[in-house]
Amino acid sequence: EPEVTQTPSHQVTQMGQEVILRCVPISNHLYFYWYRQILGQKVEFLVSFYNNEISEKSEIFDDQFSVERPDGSNFTLKIRSTKLEDSAMYFCASRTGNTGELFFGEGSRLTVL
Amino acid sequence: GDSVVQTEGQVLPSEGDSLIVNCSYETTQYPSLFWYVQYPGEGPQLHLKAMKANDKGRNKGFEAMYRKETTSFHLEKDSVQESDSAVYFCALSECDAGNMLTFGGGTRLMVKP
Repeated sequence: EPEVTQTPSHQVTQMGQEVILRCVPISNHLYFYWYRQILGQKVEFLVSFYNNEISEKSEIFDDQFSVERPDGSNFTLKIRSTKLEDSAMYFCASRTGNTGELFFGEGSRLTVL
Repeated sequence: GDSVVQTEGQVLPSEGDSLIVNCSYETTQYPSLFWYVQYPGEGPQLHLKAMKANDKGRNKGFEAMYRKETTSFHLEKDSVQESDSAVYFCALSECDAGNMLTFGGGTRLMVKP
């Protein structure tokens, strides 16, 4: 069964460092998303991406965040200068069309020290 | 903005008990409504959905009715099993917001054997 895969599963970084989280969406999917979940809290939308550009972003997704689809398969989330409060589980998700089922990856846990 | 409020914290029924997990939503539009389930170490996965008012989503004995008049989408099951134990998230999405999901805070279901 096709699935969304994410790497790394866990990353520990120092405050101020840059982090790149990688995702390989399901191959025929066209819409891509990043969500995050701070420990014990709700899952929050960060950004959606379609046709090689951001289509929606939340207030959380400030100038420190960026997304890219560099090679037609990977979908990356970059945090330029991490803060303690960026510590969370980051989920990548994808879907075929605008109203299809959203498939989530297993998440990348980011710990900022 | 959109919001979803659901039963907070943990629910601890015994196997065979009936279950209701409340979900209420607030939006100015006509959303699609979802319940996602999250097992330990995994991302959220779609559990059931209802796309318009009076639709009923069903999966694995769980049901939820899209009630526009009370803006609710409560998750119900007649007889829970230990294998139902997981975190359940109520969520909504709107066509004119890029179909991004707005999640509730999650409810941990722990079914006692």
